[in-house]
Amino acid sequence: DTVLTQSPALAVSPGERVTISCRASESVSTGMHWYQQKPGQQPKLLIYGASNLESGVPARFSGSGSGTDFTLTIDPVEADDTATYFCQQSWNDPFTFGSGTKLEIK
Amino acid sequence: EVQLVESGGGLVQPGRSLKLSCAASGFTFSNYYMAWVRQAPKKGLEWVATISTSGSRTYYPDSVKGRFTISRDNAKSSLYLQMNSLKSEDTATYYCARGEPDYFGYWGQGVMVTVSS
Repeated sequence: DTVLTQSPALAVSPGERVTISCRASESVSTGMHWYQQKPGQQPKLLIYGASNLESGVPARFSGSGSGTDFTLTIDPVEADDTATYFCQQSWNDPFTFGSGTKLEIK
Repeated sequence: EVQLVESGGGLVQPGRSLKLSCAASGFTFSNYYMAWVRQAPKKGLEWVATISTSGSRTYYPDSVKGRFTISRDNAKSSLYLQMNSLKSEDTATYYCARGEPDYFGYWGQGVMVTVSS
């Protein structure tokens, strides 16, 4: 299975720029997607196809990458962005998720 | 507004069966792949199953293949997950999700399944 590796946690201040990384154990082309999960809630789609912003998601969120290295960027970060962010690949079978990056806003 | 509402969760003994349901509204259900994704307590997400628009094709990871069956009723805008031979490691919150088709555009609130004696 394709393993997706994410940093466990990050802490940033409001107004800063934050990058959340996701590294795949093998190429996933641009079959990478990003979700936000706030405590006690279901995940929400942010980015699909590595760099496409889901409708209704603020333009502060952006995604980049291809192959094995991907990045979710939030610029500027707001207090409401406190959440865990998951990447998911759909290029290889089975679909797999990263373990999540918990973002704390100081 | 897209809504996905899961039901059918609960406490079940190892080796027993349980069937989850998901009622969909706010979109043309028959036009979309649908999926189940689970999340063990304090853990990450795991894709469990996907079904095509007509229901003719289904997809599973090895961890549940042969034990879980995804199905749908387009007339009722409903999705199902039949879970057999349940194990303690199947304990999780199960989310119904709209497939796009290979990522998950909308998620339900989730339903808890606890497998324990």
